[in-house]
Amino acid sequence: DTGVSQNPRHKITKRGQNVTFRCDPISEHNRLYWYRQTLGQGPEFLTYFQNEAQLEKSRLLSDRFSAERPKGSFSTLEIQRTEQGDSAMYLCASSLGRGPRDEQYFGPGTRLTVT
Amino acid sequence: GENVEQHPSTLSVQEGDSAVIKCTYSDSASNYFPWYKQELGKRPQLIIDIRSNVGEKKDQRIAVTLNKTAKHFSLHITETQPEDSAVYFCAALKGVGGGTSYGKLTFGQGTILTVHP
Repeated sequence: DTGVSQNPRHKITKRGQNVTFRCDPISEHNRLYWYRQTLGQGPEFLTYFQNEAQLEKSRLLSDRFSAERPKGSFSTLEIQRTEQGDSAMYLCASSLGRGPRDEQYFGPGTRLTVT
Repeated sequence: GENVEQHPSTLSVQEGDSAVIKCTYSDSASNYFPWYKQELGKRPQLIIDIRSNVGEKKDQRIAVTLNKTAKHFSLHITETQPEDSAVYFCAALKGVGGGTSYGKLTFGQGTILTVHP
């Protein structure tokens, strides 16, 4: 495993359905981040974890969104009762989380389309 | 919170020319500034970064400069090649815990760079 992986790569769902995405970080990376990117914009921060602890959540993360990292390895992002405005690319990133250098490396993303 | 503005939104150059992309940030406590390159349909890739304790960093054809007083930083690409064509994002981070680079990235809006052969 040489990079961050995300599954599925694409998800099409109907409005009102629940969806769950998975992110597997780079091995030994303690920090895991979720971002959302809409067309023509830069990624926007959603939340991040240090090991299994969720340290910060953006106001973008409404109560329909929940993220977990139960064993401090992979993470899941669930969206309940999806809305058309949730259509976006959901990006995961990970970083080593130790020492002063903490570059974030991104996965390929999950593209969500809500119809 | 932090706000990052990026200019220009599009940039078109001839192969071999230089390209410069500029970003400004609002939070003077931000201390880490990475640049990402994103090709169509692909993940953002870190190409260079700079921390607030240095003013300039260079890696082959790519360089980044930082002016903390003015709160702006720039990406310079020399001798551009068609494969440099992509969307470039700047970002800023205020490290938690003092002097670290841990925390959330705030991104600029992106610059679409097109290098014509």
